[in-house]
This record gives sequence, structure tokens and C-alpha cells, in this order.
Amino acid sequence: DAKTTQPPSMDCAEGRAANLPCNHSTISGNEYVYWYRQIHSQGPQYIIHGLKNNETNEMASLIITEDRKSSTLILPHATLRDTAVYYCIVRVAGNQGGKLIFGQGTELSVKP
Amino acid sequence: DGGITQSPKYLFRKEGQNVTLSCEQNLNHDAMYWYRQDPGQGLRLIYYSQIVNDFQKGDIAEGYSVSREKKESFPLTVTSAQKNPTAFYLCASSETSGGVTQYFGPGTRLTVL
Repeated sequence: DAKTTQPPSMDCAEGRAANLPCNHSTISGNEYVYWYRQIHSQGPQYIIHGLKNNETNEMASLIITEDRKSSTLILPHATLRDTAVYYCIVRVAGNQGGKLIFGQGTELSVKP
Repeated sequence: DGGITQSPKYLFRKEGQNVTLSCEQNLNHDAMYWYRQDPGQGLRLIYYSQIVNDFQKGDIAEGYSVSREKKESFPLTVTSAQKNPTAFYLCASSETSGGVTQYFGPGTRLTVL
């Protein structure tokens, strides 16, 4: 699985968009980009995933660059409850074993 | 109401005692996983099971044991052989063994005194 790089921390004002970047310059053509988040002392929560195209769901949008070497998770209107550690994971879907490699992630602090 | 349940949320044990952590899912998922998380660290895979009556060791299986007798249940036993058992334990499941979309339970925080 390709390695990912994320900033260790970010701040965002409540009600504004939070844009969380992730670099994955060694991504392969069949690897997906997944985003999870973990609120303190809770289990990680799946947010969104994509391969090439931009994706949107009720939680967030995922923008993947054309060369697929980086992506951005967008929380359009951040709330205090979005304060969490956000993990970007690159992985081939269908791999036997199923291990998710959670790196250090980005600690997002949403402030009033 | 579908999901993954882990019980209890907090667990205290004396050193040298075995302890079993519960994980149940009603999502009809084939695959289940156990991870360990230490303060400020990412998750590390302990064991996983792709199907009933089958399981494989993850990266840090020493001192742990599991069983998968039923599709919905994947209990983890922390044995006295585990040198540093105090940690946050997370159970997850996915529709298939290759499913990257894993759904996590709320976790059990184990403290060994």
C-alpha cells in the first residue's frame, strides 16, 4: 500500500470549510484513497473513498488530483463535532488480509 | 439498528489474569478484525478473520487469542503472556475480507493493574 503524508494538525473556524490535504505520490493505478476519522476515545469512522473521480456524500467531498498523487478532504461547513483526527489511507480494494494502516493523521480542531 | 458492539467500554484486570473482550456485529459481514491503539499512536492489527472458523495473525498477535465460531461474534482474549496489555482495543468488520470500508465498534479500554 502506498505511503501517505498529512500535516499533523490544522485549525478551522466553525461554519467554514475544512480542507484536509493528503499526499500519496507513489499511489498505484488500482489503489483507492480512503478517509476515516477518529473522535477522541471512539472507534474510527469511515468518511468517504474514491479512485479517480471526485466524490461527495452527506459527510464530505473528496477531491483527487488528475495525476492522483494528492487529494483533499473537504468538510463544507465544519462544526465543533468535526474535531477529530483524520486519516488518509491508500489501499488496493480486494486485498486479502484487510489490514488498514493508520498513520499519524491530521488532528483537526474546529474552533468557535 | 445495525452496527458493531463492544463490551464493556472500560475494563480493569489484575496482572497475570486472562481477560476476554467481546465483539458482536449484526451487519452480516464476513470479515472481522481486532486492532490495538496506544496513546498518540495509530492502529495495529492483532488478528483478523475472513470467514467463520478461520482466522489469521496480524502484526502483533503474540499474547492474544481469538475464536470465530459464529459469523456475528469475534471475541479477543488477552492472555497473561501479553507483556503490555493496557491499551484501547477496537473491533471492526467489513463485508468481505478485501473490503477496505471497515466499520468500527466503540472500543474497549483495558487497564491492567
